[in-house]
Amino acid sequence: AQTVTQSQPEMSVQEAETVTLSCTYDTSENNYYLFWYKQPPSRQMILVIRQEAYKQQNATENRFSVNFQKAAKSFSLKISDSQLGDTAMYFCAFSRSGGSNYKLTFGKGTLLTVNP
Amino acid sequence: NAGVTQTPKFQVLKTGQSMTLQCAQDMNHNSMYWYRQDPGMGLRLIYYSASEGTTDKGEVPNGYNVSRLNKREFSLRLESAAPSQTSVYFCASRQVPYLGQFFGPGTRLTVL
Repeated sequence: AQTVTQSQPEMSVQEAETVTLSCTYDTSENNYYLFWYKQPPSRQMILVIRQEAYKQQNATENRFSVNFQKAAKSFSLKISDSQLGDTAMYFCAFSRSGGSNYKLTFGKGTLLTVNP
Repeated sequence: NAGVTQTPKFQVLKTGQSMTLQCAQDMNHNSMYWYRQDPGMGLRLIYYSASEGTTDKGEVPNGYNVSRLNKREFSLRLESAAPSQTSVYFCASRQVPYLGQFFGPGTRLTVL
């Protein structure tokens, strides 16, 4: 079974600075997908960025980028130029690429607060 | 295009009461999922439906039943609610795995 670990329950950052959220996972699969979801106070789950394990290039979406280290089973999220609207709970998630389930296995989340 | 919708948004039940949480998606997705979110636990899968006509148990299925009514709709039923089922419930859908899952706004359920 896959497990996802987020070792930082809470983090804070000053507006306009950069912050990195950590995620590690455990799997015996070779091909899989990794995701970061954002959950603001509104409760809505929003997909921030995704990474396919067979791609070596790290994914980037505007101010969000990942550092994907497949051998280390590490998938960290970097937020540049932090904004107040980035304040949210962030969840790392894993999905197999084979089979019919494709369920998401989530970490327990990191609560990020951006301070003015 | 509403995406994934859930009803109700909030619900309070007494122990032993039953209710059904409704979920619908208009993205023509094949797979649908029900998760529960508890403080400090992340999201845990209750049931899923890989395609119309099929349903399977997830990590925490006890106390729940589901129905995949058609391709659009996937409901979650609590037959006899218990305080341990107090949680926020999310429905999600997916078409292809590499795009991830799309979530509804959630239902906050309190069982007294």
